[in-house]
Amino acid sequence: RKEVEQDPGPFNVPEGATVAFNCTYSNSASQSFFWYRQDCRKEPKLLMSVYSSGNEDGRFTAQLNRASQYISLLIRDSKLSDSATYLCVVNRRRDDKIIFGKGTRLHILP
Amino acid sequence: GAVVSQHPSWVICKSGTSVKIECRSLDFQATTMFWYRQFPKQSLMLMATSNEGSKATYEQGVEKDKFLINHASLTLSTLTVTSAHPEDSSFYICSALPRGGSTDTQYFGPGTRLTVL
Repeated sequence: RKEVEQDPGPFNVPEGATVAFNCTYSNSASQSFFWYRQDCRKEPKLLMSVYSSGNEDGRFTAQLNRASQYISLLIRDSKLSDSATYLCVVNRRRDDKIIFGKGTRLHILP
Repeated sequence: GAVVSQHPSWVICKSGTSVKIECRSLDFQATTMFWYRQFPKQSLMLMATSNEGSKATYEQGVEKDKFLINHASLTLSTLTVTSAHPEDSSFYICSALPRGGSTDTQYFGPGTRLTVL
């Protein structure tokens, strides 16, 4: 089982729709969780950290369920500029290294 | 702040040659830098951890004699792909940790796309 698993997509979604990404992680000792965004042929950029209480940043909402080892990202009112690959990232505390999921590709359609 | 640069941004080379990629932290000191590799439609995979003034730590399956890492200063780490082959063609990305920072806060360089003919 991979340490961080995501649906590879692609998700083709009309502009204005709500999109949900899911991610599961295998190491129950993991402590820090993140969503990154990666545009084609670019480096990943931190979108937001994910906290147990859930957190929101504008149109983006991230949630963590430690019991299920599950992380989610919700994008509301999607924009064309949201088209990218969304990477789920987990800090593997045992050696303090971050592990990337393969990412989910999102295409927002006009 | 917290800008990391990589040079070159892309490189094409012949099989058998060596390629050096530089990673610089422009406005902060980084005692630790990480080197990642990303194949098309795959996740970023950590190759090695580069520590200033000491030997790099390589992940399982990464050949240390093929991927030479030098972290000679607090702002520069280099990755040299020796005797490159077409299967080494990939997107190489570095990240840097500010002094005293945690791995939760890594600043990524823009990446170097290597194509080996």
